[in-house]
Amino acid sequence: GQQVMQIPQYQHVQEGEDFTTYCNSSTTLSNIQWYKQRPGGHPVFLIQLVKSGEVKKQKRLTFQFGEAKKNSSLHITATQTTDVGTYFCAGPRVTGGGNKLTFGTGTQLKVEL
Amino acid sequence: EAGVAQSPRYKIIEKRQSVAFWCNPISGHATLYWYQQILGQGPKLLIQFQNNGVVDDSQLPKDRFSAERLKGVDSTLKIQPAKLEDSAVYLCASSLDSGYTDTQYFGPGTRLTVL
Repeated sequence: GQQVMQIPQYQHVQEGEDFTTYCNSSTTLSNIQWYKQRPGGHPVFLIQLVKSGEVKKQKRLTFQFGEAKKNSSLHITATQTTDVGTYFCAGPRVTGGGNKLTFGTGTQLKVEL
Repeated sequence: EAGVAQSPRYKIIEKRQSVAFWCNPISGHATLYWYQQILGQGPKLLIQFQNNGVVDDSQLPKDRFSAERLKGVDSTLKIQPAKLEDSAVYLCASSLDSGYTDTQYFGPGTRLTVL
């Protein structure tokens, strides 16, 4: 079945350091979405990428969709304690498409002062 | 604008008991989703409704799980009987429609512990 894997599983950084999480799908995706889940919270939509090679920025966050539309990355520049949480990528399921999402395994980010 | 509401927030039951969760989506959202999130994993879609009809329930363990959205607004998810491996957070989400550009908004979830 369709698998969406993320690496690393965990990342501890010092505040001010950069952070990157990578997302890899076993199948080609029509689009990729990114969510952030704070500890004890619920997933919150961050962004959606649709085009091959697309790059989008949100302040210190840079999102990229691979040329083959099977991988994506999220890069945070100069992390802050407010960036703590688990970051998930999600892509449409092979069966059904639309908005039926398969979530990745997630990368948990901890930021230390 | 009010977000997705869920209740209860926490539930502890013993195995083989029954439990039900309630979800009220954002007003006007036609599409409603139930996800199961096991600790340390990403959310897994259980069932998707479009208005009051089921669009996808292929990952719903139908021998013990059931869900309904009778009037196309509120929804309930039931587990009967519960197993230990059902311990998880059950998240409800809604979106305006079912297209891939329709953002999903998640509720706070119900944390279920099965003893």
